[in-house]
Order: sequence, then C-alpha cells, then structure tokens
Amino acid sequence: QSALTQPRSVSGSPGQSVTISCTGTSSDVGGYNYVSWYQQHPGKAPKLMIYDVSERPSGVPDRFSGSKSGNTASLTISGLQADDEADYYCCSYAGTYFVFGGGTKLTVL
Amino acid sequence: EVQLVESGGGLVQPGGSLRLSCAASGFTFSSHRMHWVRQAPGKGLVWVSCIESDGRSSKYADFVKGRFSISRDNAKNMLYLQMNSLRAEDTAVYYCARDTNGLPYWGQGTLVTVSS
Repeated sequence: QSALTQPRSVSGSPGQSVTISCTGTSSDVGGYNYVSWYQQHPGKAPKLMIYDVSERPSGVPDRFSGSKSGNTASLTISGLQADDEADYYCCSYAGTYFVFGGGTKLTVL
Repeated sequence: EVQLVESGGGLVQPGGSLRLSCAASGFTFSSHRMHWVRQAPGKGLVWVSCIESDGRSSKYADFVKGRFSISRDNAKNMLYLQMNSLRAEDTAVYYCARDTNGLPYWGQGTLVTVSS
C-alpha cells in the first residue's frame, strides 16, 4: 500500500496553467477509473475537485480538469488564480483499499 | 445541509485506546459508504479505513490492521473508529468523510495525540 507519487511542489503565474501528476501502479491508478483530487487550504478540510478521473462536482470551476494515461493521473488548473494556491492530493481506489498521493503544494507566483 | 461532526480525540499514552465518533446529519446516512482519513501535523492526507453502507464490509490500511476497527450505527447516524495499541505515529487529525463519487463531504476533524 504505497502512497501515490506526486511532485512536492508546482508553481505558476496568474492566468497560466499548471498540471499536477499522480503516479501509481496497475493495481490502483491504472486499474480503476476511480481517481479523485482534493484541494486543501491551510487549516481547512479537503475539498473534492475531481472524481472518477475527470468528472467535476457541481460548483467546481471548469478551470479544473482531470485525466489519466496508464498508471498516471493528472490534474490541470488553467487560468490560475491567487485562491488556487493550496495543497492538492490525488486519491485512488485500489481494490481492497484506497490510497492518497503525498500531496503537491501549488504556489501562485 | 450535510454535516459531519467528529469527536473523541484527545491525548492518550502509547499503547492506549481511543474511540472516535462521527455524527452525521442532513442526508440518508445508511445509503453511503463512509471513510476515516487522517493527517499528521504538517503532513499529507492518509486513508485509514472505510465501511460499506450496511456495515457488513470494511477495509483498512495495512498500518492499522489489527489495531483499529471501524463500525457504524445506522439507526443513530453514527460512524466510529476504535483505535487500540496507539503509537506516536498515529498522532494526527482524523477526518470522517462521506463517499459519493469521491469524498465530497468532510468533517472538521478531531485531533488525536499519542504521547507520554
């Protein structure tokens, strides 16, 4: 049950796009279309941004999009805004358990 | 309005036990799988356990197997996490979360500190 691999940090300027990767194995990310992404601001509970690889919950801006290729899922945030600065976590179903990524700190320059 | 309110956290000595509770309201509790997720201070989210809507099946992270037990009381709209043989590394904020196409609803968390 190893954590999914995410870059520790990414950054971008307002208006730009950034992509956060989430690499697992064929037993988790690659084996199921049940990858979700969460945004967490300091001191707050996580917020669901993407589920089932690429679906957006109501209320989440379409600037947030998800995709998957093989064992790697990705979250792309376009038109970066200051409030997007937060920690982002991927999560995958793995058959007998769930697993989160280590988290990525997004800095908006 | 969906609400999840955790309680039961606190300071416990290594080797001790604690039972966390999560009170659910604003939705049909018995229709949803529920999860516990934890976050050590300054660290990332870690999945701990989940239980199916009818309580008949549960899953655990390897690092808590044999020590933690998840349960629910659908009549009381309550989710529980019994934690035994606690270790310093179990120190974290513990969140309960509702499963519906991902985890769209989370509680505010309850802090568990394992220390002598």
